[in-house]
Amino acid sequence: AQSVAQPEDQVNVAEGNPLTVKCTYSVSGNPYLFWYVQYPNRGLQFLLKYITGDNLVKGSYGFEAEFNKSQTSFHLKKPSALVSDSALYFCAVRGPNDYKLSFGAGTTVTVRA
Amino acid sequence: DTAVSQTPKYLVTQMGNDKSIKCEQNLGHDTMYWYKQDSKKFLKIMFSYNNKELIINETVPNRFSPKSPDKAHLNLHINSLELGDSAVYFCASRSKMGKLFFGSGTQLSVL
Repeated sequence: AQSVAQPEDQVNVAEGNPLTVKCTYSVSGNPYLFWYVQYPNRGLQFLLKYITGDNLVKGSYGFEAEFNKSQTSFHLKKPSALVSDSALYFCAVRGPNDYKLSFGAGTTVTVRA
Repeated sequence: DTAVSQTPKYLVTQMGNDKSIKCEQNLGHDTMYWYKQDSKKFLKIMFSYNNKELIINETVPNRFSPKSPDKAHLNLHINSLELGDSAVYFCASRSKMGKLFFGSGTQLSVL
């Protein structure tokens, strides 16, 4: 069975400060890892993914994520947060041959001006 | 052009009614999904079709029945609606690289 844990319900940061949203996962085989963002009353939007290769993945809107196999983590980061980054962020995982993508419970990010 | 479109955006209905939500994607993807997002924003997969074939059928009451007339469409029919069915339902399609494209959601309210 595959699963994702996002240990923080909420993350609050000041604009201009670094932002980190934590994610750990469990899956059989090599993980396919994703981050999605959801703005109010909208569907989820893809931010970035890790399948293979460099452990540091760069995505949309200046976000990046670091894959750490030993810690089974895939934390999302942004060096300097913007107020417009305030949203709900989901980490997701699937196995290499899976169609099922399992999502974490989500982390609400609030960036204050 | 909207890549994944769902209709209706809002659906308010009485308990016991039967309703359908439609989804269409113009991305040429083979695989489509239905997800349910509850009031706590938790996302749960319900169904998935690949080329009109059902490939994922999670533990969902059999009052929910998906139907895929072709690979660009995946509709969701719900019989005998219950209060607990109130949620936001998202359709998604998947690219060959595994990226999901989501519709904007259908907010279902059962009164």
